Amino acid sequence: NAGVTQTPKFRVLKTGQSMTLLCAQDMNHEYMYWYRQDPGMGLRLIHYSVGEGTTAKGEVPDGYNVSRLKKQNFLLGLESAAPSQTSVYFCASSYPKTGDGYTFGSGTRLTVV
Amino acid sequence: GQSLEQPSEVTAVEGAIVQINCTYQTSGFYGLSWYQQHDGGAPTFLSYNGLDGLEETGRFSSFLSRSDSYGYLLLQELQMKDSASYFCAVKDTNAGKSTFGDGTTLTVKP
Repeated sequence: NAGVTQTPKFRVLKTGQSMTLLCAQDMNHEYMYWYRQDPGMGLRLIHYSVGEGTTAKGEVPDGYNVSRLKKQNFLLGLESAAPSQTSVYFCASSYPKTGDGYTFGSGTRLTVV
Repeated sequence: GQSLEQPSEVTAVEGAIVQINCTYQTSGFYGLSWYQQHDGGAPTFLSYNGLDGLEETGRFSSFLSRSDSYGYLLLQELQMKDSASYFCAVKDTNAGKSTFGDGTTLTVKP
């Protein structure tokens, strides 16, 4: 049972380059989320999705886009990377039940130079 | 908006009990969750309180007082492996999205 899988695990980008981070979950979860975590800080919500074909903005959406074409996948795109987007990106998923916690992926460590 | 406050660092000795507090100011509230994150790892879910009171899961317990906008995580019989960061998170809508605090780094000493 893989849970939540993120690819890639590490990436170095040059300013202005684009990339897509992939999140895949095999738990049939309805909800999926993208968070970023900067050193010494908590997780900040970028975008989230409550079901296939739906997405919504979180706390820090600027510079990112997302898509959820299939229930099990949630993609995070950076169209033109900036050094301020250097961070660790975590994907998470959950059931709609309020008592259920998130299952997180292992993270993608992105450096923009 | 959402605002969560928790201490940045806590130190305790092996075998002791430690309490990590979390206060919050939110525009909507459905429940308070706690997560553990070891250095370089993914956060893992520990507990959830949707109603006032104490929830116990093994050595870990979590408490919530909605009237005081306050909760805590209690860790008993501390072990070295409990050294990690602990985050409180407010689930603010039925969409399940959560706002996280900045985390408390717990160091357990022998």
